[in-house]
Amino acid sequence: DVVLTQSPLSLPVTLGQPASVPCRSSQSLVHSDGNTYLNWFQQRPGQSPRRLIYMVSNRDSGVPDRFSGSGSGTVFTLNISRVEAEDAAVYYCMQGTHRPLTFGGGTKVEIK
Amino acid sequence: EVKLVESGGGLVQPGGSLRLSCAASGFTFDNFWMHWVRQAPGKGLMWVSRIKGDGGMTEYADSVKGRFTISRDNAKNTLYLQMNSLRAEDTAVYFCTRSSTMGYWGHGTLVTVSS
Repeated sequence: DVVLTQSPLSLPVTLGQPASVPCRSSQSLVHSDGNTYLNWFQQRPGQSPRRLIYMVSNRDSGVPDRFSGSGSGTVFTLNISRVEAEDAAVYYCMQGTHRPLTFGGGTKVEIK
Repeated sequence: EVKLVESGGGLVQPGGSLRLSCAASGFTFDNFWMHWVRQAPGKGLMWVSRIKGDGGMTEYADSVKGRFTISRDNAKNTLYLQMNSLRAEDTAVYFCTRSSTMGYWGHGTLVTVSS
């Protein structure tokens, strides 16, 4: 199975400052069709996961433009340009290139 | 508007069975693969199972293979997860989600396996 490693487990950030959440894959996430199926999810306490980014860098409708995704191959990053209080949550990467689908362990973004 | 509503969770003894349902609306149900994903208390997300739109193909995580069965009734726009031989480690919130891109999630239903 593909292992997605998210480190650190916790990321303290200051309001208004940028934040980067990394995700590293144990193997390339480039599919045979040429696409890379790497998504990012946000989960606030007591809520269902919400997809923010699909296929590495495509922002979902309604997601603030301070969120962006980047990367290729085995290294990916979710960036928050200026952290707001509502961004306190756990962020998960997920790959859909290989079967079975797998998730990273999550990074908790905490506001200092 | 896409809606996914899970139900059927509850408290069950080890070795017992439970059937979860996920009622879907707002999209053409049989056009999409559907998935179950679970989250143990305080833990991360784990993919459980998926089923093709016509029900003709299914896949399972190794940890549930042979114990869980995913199915769907396209006439009722409903996804199911039959869970047998339940273990304490199956305790989790179970979410249904649409397609492998997982753009839509239900609110989840809690399954607790305990004596």
